[in-house]
Amino acid sequence: ETGVTQTPRHLVMGMTNKKSLKCEQHLGHNAMYWYKQSAKKPLELMFVYNFKEQTENNSVPSRFSPECPNSSHLFLHLHTLQPEDSALYLCASSQDLTVQETQYFGPGTRLLVL
Amino acid sequence: GEDVEQSLFLSVREGDSSVINCTYTDSSSTYLYWYKQEPGAGLQLLTYIFSNMDMKQDQRLTVLLNKKDKHLSLRIADTQTGDSAIYFCAEKGSGGSYIPTFGRGTSLIVHP
Repeated sequence: ETGVTQTPRHLVMGMTNKKSLKCEQHLGHNAMYWYKQSAKKPLELMFVYNFKEQTENNSVPSRFSPECPNSSHLFLHLHTLQPEDSALYLCASSQDLTVQETQYFGPGTRLLVL
Repeated sequence: GEDVEQSLFLSVREGDSSVINCTYTDSSSTYLYWYKQEPGAGLQLLTYIFSNMDMKQDQRLTVLLNKKDKHLSLRIADTQTGDSAIYFCAEKGSGGSYIPTFGRGTSLIVHP
């Protein structure tokens, strides 16, 4: 595997379900990000981790719970979601959090909440 | 207004050049990016330009930066149907921030 991978690619869940999204980067990077992409809205930053430590939580509801066990893996645990949470969830990574480092994105998980 | 603005749609004929425009508000932006998103996929980095450059060329892609007008453009020469996608402009560095600010994306439609 190369680059940034995400699983599953598609997920349908009910509002009472609990599920997790997984992201893995094979680039040797130290920073990882979760973004939400909804139709007709700008890309929304959700969380940032650097060397496994959370550095940004962009006022995300507690029904989204991130986990970063090491610099290569990032999870997003989902519980009691709402239909408006349906979106494409994108993971990204960068070497670190310095301004000159570029973000590389995974293919995303398309989430549908029924 | 938004920090990074792009027109939402652009339609071109196959073989023509496409020019996608972007304006940003913060003159302290140091890096400006173009990403491409194909249907069902994530964002793919196409190219970026540092703020002390006016132009960058990479095969069919030409990026022009006008710092005075805070205007960035992406020109795609000899546009092909495979270039149909959403193109996102992003800036980074304003206020020293490492987090990029993205535009809403321009949908490029290439027709025969």
